[in-house]
Amino acid sequence: QKEVEQNSGPLSVPEGAIASLNCTYSDRGSQSFFWYRQYSGKSPELIMSIYSNGDKEDGRFTAQLNKASQYVSLLIRDSQPSDSATYLCAVVRDQAGTALIFGKGTTLSVSS
Amino acid sequence: DTEVTQTPKHLVMGMTNKKSLKCEQHMGHRAMYWYKQKAKKPPELMFVYSYEKLSINESVPSRFSPECPNSSLLNLHLHALQPEDSALYLCASSQSETGGLNQPQHFGDGTRLSIL
Repeated sequence: QKEVEQNSGPLSVPEGAIASLNCTYSDRGSQSFFWYRQYSGKSPELIMSIYSNGDKEDGRFTAQLNKASQYVSLLIRDSQPSDSATYLCAVVRDQAGTALIFGKGTTLSVSS
Repeated sequence: DTEVTQTPKHLVMGMTNKKSLKCEQHMGHRAMYWYKQKAKKPPELMFVYSYEKLSINESVPSRFSPECPNSSLLNLHLHALQPEDSALYLCASSQSETGGLNQPQHFGDGTRLSIL
């Protein structure tokens, strides 16, 4: 069974700190990885996509991918209370299709 | 606001009713998806349409019937649902693969469905 694992949290950080969210996946052949943010009662919103080993930065967000370790992370710099949400890691299930497998999500709480 | 539009936003129906959920996108995406999400759980894939053909059915009960009338529209027909089917139903779309890599899926706001 192919899986995506995340620490469910809650992860609590003070305003202005760096929040680090982690995700591991079981299928070594996976090539496409996504981070979604979901506020309570809302739909998932794409934050980052990453396909190659290394770092990808977009504003306060940095995604990191290490395929050898089967590990994806999301760093949020200068965390704001508005970043408080559940962050879902998603991996494409197989190279023949487009189905996503989601991790259970990590709940982030940023205190002011 | 998202570029994937779902209607209705809320739906309450009895177990004997027939209703439909609708999803529309005008981004030229050729893959469309239905997900079901229960509270405090991640989205679970139900169906995938690729180029208007059903490509994945995750063993969903037949009381859920998807339909893709054209490349911009996706429907989910509901009949004889059970109380445990109450959930947030999410539609998503994505471009087809580019360079062998899967393009991200963009979600609509969802339909919150309650079965009485």
